[in-house]
Amino acid sequence: DAKTTQPPSMDCAEGRAANLPCNHSTISGNEYVYWYRQIHSQGPQYIIHGLKNNETNEMASLIITEDRKSSTLILPHATLRDTAVYYCIVRASGTYKYIFGTGTRLKVLA
Amino acid sequence: ETGVTQTPRHLVMGMTNKKSLKCEQHLGHNAMYWYKQSAKKPLELMFVYSLEERVENNSVPSRFSPECPNSSHLFLHLHTLQPEDSALYLCASSQAATPSGANVLTFGAGSRLTVL
Repeated sequence: DAKTTQPPSMDCAEGRAANLPCNHSTISGNEYVYWYRQIHSQGPQYIIHGLKNNETNEMASLIITEDRKSSTLILPHATLRDTAVYYCIVRASGTYKYIFGTGTRLKVLA
Repeated sequence: ETGVTQTPRHLVMGMTNKKSLKCEQHLGHNAMYWYKQSAKKPLELMFVYSLEERVENNSVPSRFSPECPNSSHLFLHLHTLQPEDSALYLCASSQAATPSGANVLTFGAGSRLTVL
């Protein structure tokens, strides 16, 4: 079973920041948080990952709470092409098992 | 070609057919994965190979038979499938031969399988 909980769906206005929450209250010290997204019927696309610190790349920012029990993916200026299902995954270093949950269906509105 | 390539993109087969799905990665990665995604369900991990050795088999029925002849190629051989096996089959790869550290997955576009 997935170790994360995400809201099933969210809407965001085009040009605004999209903030996608993820709860991972049972996370262990050696477990990474990953975010992927899947645009309809395509393969999932890697977005960002983190262990303890906040991270930023050209696609998004990842904010991890100090207790590591939750995180937020931020798409700073959402576009229509960001409409997708976003998956938050927790994986322990030392295992190949990336367990996907049901994700959050983000719809960016014009 | 770059990234992870899956062929065919679409496959229709009868329950008595034998077919294969192919995955090729051009990233120099050492581990390869098969995932299954059924309609309205999360991705399910099926198999993982690291340096051509199977390291994960997630209780997959024997009608699915994986093969990894080298670190760049992964096959999924299909025989006597059931209609409920219709799904999107996704291949992925990751750089590390051992799953330590971040080990990010790169996915292919998937093979859409329909079993009649």
